[in-house]
Amino acid sequence: DAGITQSPRHKVTETGTPVTLRCHQTENHRYMYWYRQDPGHGLRLIHYSYGVKDTDKGEVSDGYSVSRSKTEDFLLTLESATSSQTSVYFCAIRHSGQQETQYFGPGTRLLVL
Amino acid sequence: TQLLEQSPQFLSIQEGENLTVYCNSSSVFSSLQWYRQEPGEGPVLLVTVVTGGEVKKLKRLTFQFGDARKDSSLHITAAQPGDTGLYLCAGAGDSNYQLIWGAGTKLIIKP
Repeated sequence: DAGITQSPRHKVTETGTPVTLRCHQTENHRYMYWYRQDPGHGLRLIHYSYGVKDTDKGEVSDGYSVSRSKTEDFLLTLESATSSQTSVYFCAIRHSGQQETQYFGPGTRLLVL
Repeated sequence: TQLLEQSPQFLSIQEGENLTVYCNSSSVFSSLQWYRQEPGEGPVLLVTVVTGGEVKKLKRLTFQFGDARKDSSLHITAAQPGDTGLYLCAGAGDSNYQLIWGAGTKLIIKP
């Protein structure tokens, strides 16, 4: 258990509204990641962070932004949600010194109507 | 672009049967990991293989890393209903920060 929580766990929203998902970790890990998971696509990286205020884009970053103002929190924002962003979102941390091992939060299920 | 192709995408077998899941790429990976994910939860690491040709066993699960470090397999002996889940492979490649993920194998073991 890497002490990762995500909130909310479930959310229903309407197209065009902004949505922010929060990932919180308690073990001071430097690297944090946001993924989305859709059937047939596995896990796709949205954004990642390698330190406070240090973030970079993943393979499916369009329509998403992130912020990391504290080590323990990594926020994912959908500026204007679309139906194609309906998905399950996972936050992960990279455990230093364990050969790229990532530990995942429980996920947020987002439905955009 | 590094890719990992996982096969089969879906497998449904009877309890007690054996099965193998494959993870293939044309790229070399410095390490490869297998995760299992149960419904409503995040993936959980099962094993990491690092050396070409390496074999690791976890009870009835056997993991192998190809000699050239481009592929891996997961073999389950005498599958049990508790093995049901989504199995994901992930490779550590060019980037130190990111993993390359396979699309997953959904495994159902029927009692």
